[in-house]
Amino acid sequence: AQTVTQSQPEMSVQEAETVTLSCTYDTSENNYYLFWYKQPPSRQMILVIRQEAYKQQNATENRFSVNFQKAAKSFSLKISDSQLGDTAMYFCAFMKRGSGNTGKLIFGQGTTLQVKP
Amino acid sequence: GAVVSQHPSRVICKSGTSVKIECRSLDFQATTMFWYRQFPKQSLMLMATSNEGSKATYEQGVEKDKFLINHASLTLSTLTVTSAHPEDSSFYICSARDRSWTEQFFGPGTRLTVL
Repeated sequence: AQTVTQSQPEMSVQEAETVTLSCTYDTSENNYYLFWYKQPPSRQMILVIRQEAYKQQNATENRFSVNFQKAAKSFSLKISDSQLGDTAMYFCAFMKRGSGNTGKLIFGQGTTLQVKP
Repeated sequence: GAVVSQHPSRVICKSGTSVKIECRSLDFQATTMFWYRQFPKQSLMLMATSNEGSKATYEQGVEKDKFLINHASLTLSTLTVTSAHPEDSSFYICSARDRSWTEQFFGPGTRLTVL
């Protein structure tokens, strides 16, 4: 069974600074996806970034980038130039890929990020 | 991205009554829909996976007779909470995807309060 662990329940950062959210996971699968989702106070889940396990290059989306360490089973999210609108709960998620894939996401516990003005 | 709607956004009901929540994919055909439950400041807990035209697959510990899921068309899935009790009060979120997609798209959620 797969598990996803986010060990930082709460974090804060000053506006315009950089913050890194941690995520580790455990799996025996070799073919999978990893995601970071954002859930702002509206509670609408928004996909921030996606990483395919077979790709060594770290995914980036504007101010968001990941540090994917497959051997260490680590998948951290870096937010650069933090903005007030980044205040949200962030979830790391795992999805198995390949035959028999149901599309099921396994979520971590979440990290609440507060961006301070 | 694709759009998923949920209705109602909020519902208050009396203990013992049943409540139906609808999840619709507005601009794509959702071969698979997922139902989650979320308590305040906690993660999303998957309740069940439903594939269009077949019975839902429930996660361990989720009572299928209490949480009835129907996915009768490629754009609509419903979750019915039967004989609701105060402990069923929670935020319920659906998501949907086409089987060929990697990503699933989330609805805005439904806040259920059982008095």
